Amino acid sequence: GAVVSQHPSRVICKSGTSVKIECRSLDFQATTMFWYRQFPKKSLMLMATSNEGSKATYEQGVEKDKFLINHASLTLSTLTVTSAHPEDSSFYICSARVGSYPGETQYFGPGTRLLVL
Amino acid sequence: AQSVTQLGSHVSVSEGALVLLRCNYSSSVPPYLFWYVQYPNQGLQLLLKYTTGATLVKGINGFEAEFKKSETSFHLTKPSAHMSDAAEYFCAVSRTGGGADGLTFGKGTHLIIQP
Repeated sequence: GAVVSQHPSRVICKSGTSVKIECRSLDFQATTMFWYRQFPKKSLMLMATSNEGSKATYEQGVEKDKFLINHASLTLSTLTVTSAHPEDSSFYICSARVGSYPGETQYFGPGTRLLVL
Repeated sequence: AQSVTQLGSHVSVSEGALVLLRCNYSSSVPPYLFWYVQYPNQGLQLLLKYTTGATLVKGINGFEAEFKKSETSFHLTKPSAHMSDAAEYFCAVSRTGGGADGLTFGKGTHLIIQP
């Protein structure tokens, strides 16, 4: 149980275009999902918290107009990188929160590698 | 604010030897602590977590970690390394201490297993 999928696994796009990444919880409902960014040889950095039916909460320094997050259902959150530039190239990972206090756990998707040319 | 420091970006051990991956944290609230493993081209898999109660936590694949508040540490150990343990390991702390919020990760430790 607790499987999280991401689509696509890899994407290459031209500079200036927009890219949408999907994060799905396959066998459970997730009211809260998280989006992380992982740079090469570096740690994961939390970008935003996505709550079903409400606006996402962005971390300091993350441009909300550039990284659009939509959590329209209990099993799907999407991250859209708008007007992508080469510096947006990275590994994007989502996670979904499972369980209730104090036993919550985050289960992570396999990640999406974005390359902007 | 929370932070995590993982000592050693690379750790190399022989197959069958003890694995010790170090993690120190800083947290303004009682921490919830996690260890995740990432295999190449895969997502993160939860190894174990500490919430409250027993400070020695056992996880999957024979790993365990001990929460030491006085040392602000949560080191990961395994008595006998297997080749399949080669991967990237991340220590993380929950931002709010409740396990329900975004995680703050360390920079990761790449575990190399020598045959």
